[in-house]
Amino acid sequence: DIVLTQSPGTLSLSPGERATLSCRASQSVSRSYLAWYQQKPGQGPRLLIYAASNRATGIPDRFSGSGSGTDFTLTIDRLEPEDFAVFYCHQYGNSPWTFGQGTKVEIK
Amino acid sequence: QVQLVESGGGVVQPGRSLRLSCAASGFTFSEFAIHWVRQAPGKGPEWVAVISFDGSKTYYADPVKGRFTISRDNSRSTLYLQMDSLRTEDTAVYYCVTSVDAWGKGTTVTVSS
Repeated sequence: DIVLTQSPGTLSLSPGERATLSCRASQSVSRSYLAWYQQKPGQGPRLLIYAASNRATGIPDRFSGSGSGTDFTLTIDRLEPEDFAVFYCHQYGNSPWTFGQGTKVEIK
Repeated sequence: QVQLVESGGGVVQPGRSLRLSCAASGFTFSEFAIHWVRQAPGKGPEWVAVISFDGSKTYYADPVKGRFTISRDNSRSTLYLQMDSLRTEDTAVYYCVTSVDAWGKGTTVTVSS
């Protein structure tokens, strides 16, 4: 199974700053089928990015994804107050699906 | 648009059984594989099982293999998860998922004595 390791565990930033989240896979993710989700307390995961770099419908352009192979990055430019949450990466190119353990972006 | 509505969650004692359902609409149910994904409190999501479009193939995560059974009724556009011999570590929100952008809202399963 592909293990996804996210770093850092927690990111403390102020509104307006840039957030850079990392997701490293234990082996190459097939077809760069790597997604990023945002999750707030009491809610289900919200898709932000799919296939490494494609924004999902309705996602603001301050969210961007990059990477391929085993190294992927989610960047959030100019953090808005509503962006603070937990973010998960997810690979769906290899069976079985796997998820990272999450990065919490909190207000500094 | 795609709609997935899970039901059947609740509080159950260890060792007992529970059956979850997922009613689908807004797409041709019989053409897609469907997954169950769960999320324990304070943890990341965890893939549980998948069933092929026609139900002929099923795959399970090791922690649930031999205890959970995924099935589907294409005539009713409904997915099921039969959960037997439940353990406290099965406590989670269970989601049915067709693709990265199509998740249900989940149903909560609590296994506790």
